[in-house]
Amino acid sequence: DMKVTQMPRYLIKRMGENVLLECGQDMSHETMYWYRQDPGLGLQLIYISYDVDSNSEGDIPKGYRVSRKKREHFSLILDSAKTNQTSVYFCASSWYAEQFFGPGTRLTVL
Amino acid sequence: QQKVQQSPESLTVSEGAMASLNCTFSDRSSDNFRWYRQHSGKGLEVLVSIFSDGEKEEGSFTAHLNRASLHVFLHIREPQPSDSALYLCAVMNTGGLSGKLTFGEGTQVTVIS
Repeated sequence: DMKVTQMPRYLIKRMGENVLLECGQDMSHETMYWYRQDPGLGLQLIYISYDVDSNSEGDIPKGYRVSRKKREHFSLILDSAKTNQTSVYFCASSWYAEQFFGPGTRLTVL
Repeated sequence: QQKVQQSPESLTVSEGAMASLNCTFSDRSSDNFRWYRQHSGKGLEVLVSIFSDGEKEEGSFTAHLNRASLHVFLHIREPQPSDSALYLCAVMNTGGLSGKLTFGEGTQVTVIS
């Protein structure tokens, strides 16, 4: 059973604090993604990773960076979080053209 | 850049009646289309994927693709209250940036008894 996990599921941070969101997959998929979801905007692509240390900006990369040191792990980092980064963040991995999504992390920045 | 739009924004249907959702896209080279369902506070569940013009049925969900008119529809046959959720359309051009899905804003469906 293909599975994508995300930790933590809920997170509250203060403006200016650093944030680390973790994503894992047990399927050895090469490509992984980070999206954010806001009401009325669907999912927006932040970053794509094609494999270890091979990352590419998506549509809204500003204010975010990523790290992929192992194929099964993909991290999203917010250095000095801002209130407008309050959102639900989804990680996904893909096998051919099929994407498998994690359960999401709800981040609140106060 | 690909634009994907969904209509209506919200839809209320009676249990057992057909529900129809619309999705329009802008890139004629798109060749991979899918519909997802998202219950409140949950992750995305893929309902149906379609790659060529025509229809594809998965259980009570039918996707209808017409690339000439830049539309992909989702029909929900005999919806139940458990089908109340946000429905998201996603479109990909597999010849472009690898695996990039562009999502619509979603249609909030409420099924009433």
